[in-house]
Amino acid sequence: ETGVTQTPRHLVMGMTNKKSLKCEQHLGHNAMYWYKQSAKKPLELMFVYSLEERVENNSVPSRFSPECPNSSHLFLHLHTLQPEDSALYLCASSSQSTGLNEKLFFGSGTQLSVL
Amino acid sequence: DAKTTQPNSMESNEEEPVHLPCNHSTISGTDYIHWYRQLPSQDPEYVIHGLTSNVNNRMASLAIAEDRKSSTLILHRATLRDAAVYYCILRGKESGGSYIPTFGRGTSLIVHP
Repeated sequence: ETGVTQTPRHLVMGMTNKKSLKCEQHLGHNAMYWYKQSAKKPLELMFVYSLEERVENNSVPSRFSPECPNSSHLFLHLHTLQPEDSALYLCASSSQSTGLNEKLFFGSGTQLSVL
Repeated sequence: DAKTTQPNSMESNEEEPVHLPCNHSTISGTDYIHWYRQLPSQDPEYVIHGLTSNVNNRMASLAIAEDRKSSTLILHRATLRDAAVYYCILRGKESGGSYIPTFGRGTSLIVHP
């Protein structure tokens, strides 16, 4: 248990559906991240939020829409996804402080399948 | 783009030491070197980190070159449970002062019984 909780663990959706992934951390961190991990591919950074402001958007298609209402919660809103978006979506958090040795804590991920 | 380069895969026998290399020739003076690993079907987990001096913890040791352009993660006695993908990343301030942790492909460690 790392303190980062993701729900749901598994999600199957059609291309016309709208769904949301949720991430929650109670570690007192002030930065949260969304990563995408496709089969046998490296972790791809999607979004970074620091102090509830988005500081990175790695050319992610607009069908993925992040939301960070507070420092403890992060959402990824999904709509009109494509089958190639099927992947494991991982949330992580850390402390963006002056100390650059703060480590990342990952959630267990949401395994998404788009039909 | 990932700022580190690692071999795609390495193999080891159980109970033997393993040295996993990482090159980071563009490292800046304030970048920390972090190592994570991802066991099969598990989320990534922190292993160790360092800045200039070698580091030891219960999981591994980290040897950092004097010029800091490379580092080596050392598993002193590999076990089957150590079979995982090992990622070496740099933690430093990007423009705007935020930390953008980018992972490369990592090294897939295979441990033979």
